[in-house]
Amino acid sequence: GDSVTQTEGPVTVSESESLIINCTYSATSIAYPNLFWYVRYPGEGLQLLLKVITAGQKGSSRGFEATYNKETTSFHLQKASVQESDSAVYYCALGATNSAGNKLTFGIGTRVLVRP
Amino acid sequence: EAAVTQSPRSKVAVTGGKVTLSCHQTNNHDYMYWYRQDTGHGLRLIHYSYVADSTEKGDIPDGYKASRPSQENFSLILELASLSQTAVYFCASSDAPGQFQDTQYFGPGTRLLVL
Repeated sequence: GDSVTQTEGPVTVSESESLIINCTYSATSIAYPNLFWYVRYPGEGLQLLLKVITAGQKGSSRGFEATYNKETTSFHLQKASVQESDSAVYYCALGATNSAGNKLTFGIGTRVLVRP
Repeated sequence: EAAVTQSPRSKVAVTGGKVTLSCHQTNNHDYMYWYRQDTGHGLRLIHYSYVADSTEKGDIPDGYKASRPSQENFSLILELASLSQTAVYFCASSDAPGQFQDTQYFGPGTRLLVL
């Protein structure tokens, strides 16, 4: 089946430092999955951070970027300079759209702690 | 702003008891989903629904039932709660399938502890 592997947390960084969370995927049910990063802030539900549906394209939001690399089956999340408000859990996911809706396969989530 | 709410936000249940988790969405979405998350696992799909009065099994449906009495409401039912069902449960909704409509909107989660 489909699977997603991402950096195990917690990841601790200082404010203004760079952050990278690795994500690799295996998609057996669909040739060109959609790729997502969701974020969960404390006390809230998951919310979409960014998504990319075309291989080779880059998505960006709130200073975060991720590039859909079909050759390496990766979708790493990066930010050049983090803020304390970026402390959250980040989930990489792949989506296979079919008659079963928009099935998402998630990674385990990476908790990020940003020190002031 | 899309909104998905869940109740209760946390619950303690006894083994063998019945538990009902509720989800309500005001997004006017056709699709609704129930996921669970355990430590060391990503979210895993339990049940989903694409129309009222109909539910479908997800990847891990054993031990769970679902009910979709209306477009807005989707419940997850544990008829005989077990220790292994201790987890955080997330509800989500989305538009009909399609590359540009596949964003899922999540509720805040329900933390269930079965003793």
